[in-house]
Amino acid sequence: AQSVTQLGSHVSVSEGALVLLRCNYSSSVPPYLFWYVQYPNQGLQLLLKYTTGATLVKGINGFEAEFKKSETSFHLTKPSAHMSDAAEYFCAVSPGGEKLTFGTGTRLTIIP
Amino acid sequence: EAQVTQNPRYLITVTGKKLTVTCSQNMNHEYMSWYRQDPGLGLRQIYYSMNVEVTDKGDVPEGYKVSRKEKRNFPLILESPSPNQTSLYFCASSLGSPGSYNEQFFGPGTRLTVL
Repeated sequence: AQSVTQLGSHVSVSEGALVLLRCNYSSSVPPYLFWYVQYPNQGLQLLLKYTTGATLVKGINGFEAEFKKSETSFHLTKPSAHMSDAAEYFCAVSPGGEKLTFGTGTRLTIIP
Repeated sequence: EAQVTQNPRYLITVTGKKLTVTCSQNMNHEYMSWYRQDPGLGLRQIYYSMNVEVTDKGDVPEGYKVSRKEKRNFPLILESPSPNQTSLYFCASSLGSPGSYNEQFFGPGTRLTVL
């Protein structure tokens, strides 16, 4: 069975600073990996996804994530945080079947 | 506009009173799913459907029922709600299963309180 661990339920960064949100997964087969973002009082929307091929994946709003098989990680980064990035971020994994497993989420706060 | 709609958005009910939360998508998606979101637990899948008349259990199906009689609709039924089903519920749809790297489109959520 697959699982997802997001380290840090709350992360605070200053505006303009690097954003790093951590995600580690376990999967018995090469997984499909996703990052979703949830803005206050809204549903989730896709930031980016990794399927196969290039391990550095670029998403919307300047975010990117790198798939590292040896570390079973898929950390999300953004070089310079903006106030509008304040949201909750979810990492998710699918082993290639019909189910999608989400992590517990990381709430990102941006300090002016 | 392509979207997933849920109704109602907010619902307060009492223990044991049957309720249905509707979900509808206008994107001709085959895959639909229900999740519940609880603080500290993230999103957990309740049920999913690969197509009309095809449904299967997710990780937390106890106390819930679903049906998929039409492609666009996927209602969530709580036959006898209990307080531990107080949660934020999301419906989602995608062209195919998540395992085919399909993006899930989420509805706006239904906040349910069971007293």
